[in-house]
Amino acid sequence: DTAVSQTPKYLVTQMGNDKSIKCEQNLGHDTMYWYKQDSKKFLKIMFSYNNKELIINETVPNRFSPKSPDKAHLNLHINSLELGDSAVYFCASTLTEGGDTQYFGPGTRLTVL
Amino acid sequence: AQSVTQLDSQVPVFEEAPVELRCNYSSSVSVYLFWYVQYPNQGLQLLLKYLSGSTLVKGINGFEAEFNKSQTSFHLRKPSVHISDTAEYFCAVSGPGGYQKVTFGTGTKLQVIP
Repeated sequence: DTAVSQTPKYLVTQMGNDKSIKCEQNLGHDTMYWYKQDSKKFLKIMFSYNNKELIINETVPNRFSPKSPDKAHLNLHINSLELGDSAVYFCASTLTEGGDTQYFGPGTRLTVL
Repeated sequence: AQSVTQLDSQVPVFEEAPVELRCNYSSSVSVYLFWYVQYPNQGLQLLLKYLSGSTLVKGINGFEAEFNKSQTSFHLRKPSVHISDTAEYFCAVSGPGGYQKVTFGTGTKLQVIP
């Protein structure tokens, strides 16, 4: 059973389009994240949700809008895609308790043409 | 505020040789420290973590790390690497207690040479 899953795995789209990435975890965790990993492998946190509430919003353009319908799901919608949005996006989940391990999804490689 | 510095962006090493990947952190409070590994085209997975207690932490795949508070370091070591250890390694830090943001380093690419 996949612990943290993301769909789609690959996403190729034109500039200006709107796209969504979905994430689901079956670990019973209450905190979920979106990270962006650029071409140099730098991993930057974008958002964090705890029990469906936004906890972290790290100066991400408002074209990015996360949505958490329940604590097992955290989706990412991106409006008006730009070339600079090309990256690998990772979803992760954890329990809120300090020191707990983050479990990462396999990633979604977004390419904006 | 907390930060993590991984001093080496790439570390080439011959198979069966030992390796050390360096990590230094800064934080105004006590910390939890992690090492994650990312194999090509995969997500990150935990290698090991230090929360408290013994400063020498053993993880999966024969890796270990030592927490050194005076030097604010958490270097990762393996006595004998294998080709399959070729991957990107990330050091990370978070604060203690309840919900805390995790800050990742910039990663070190370990390249094992046959």
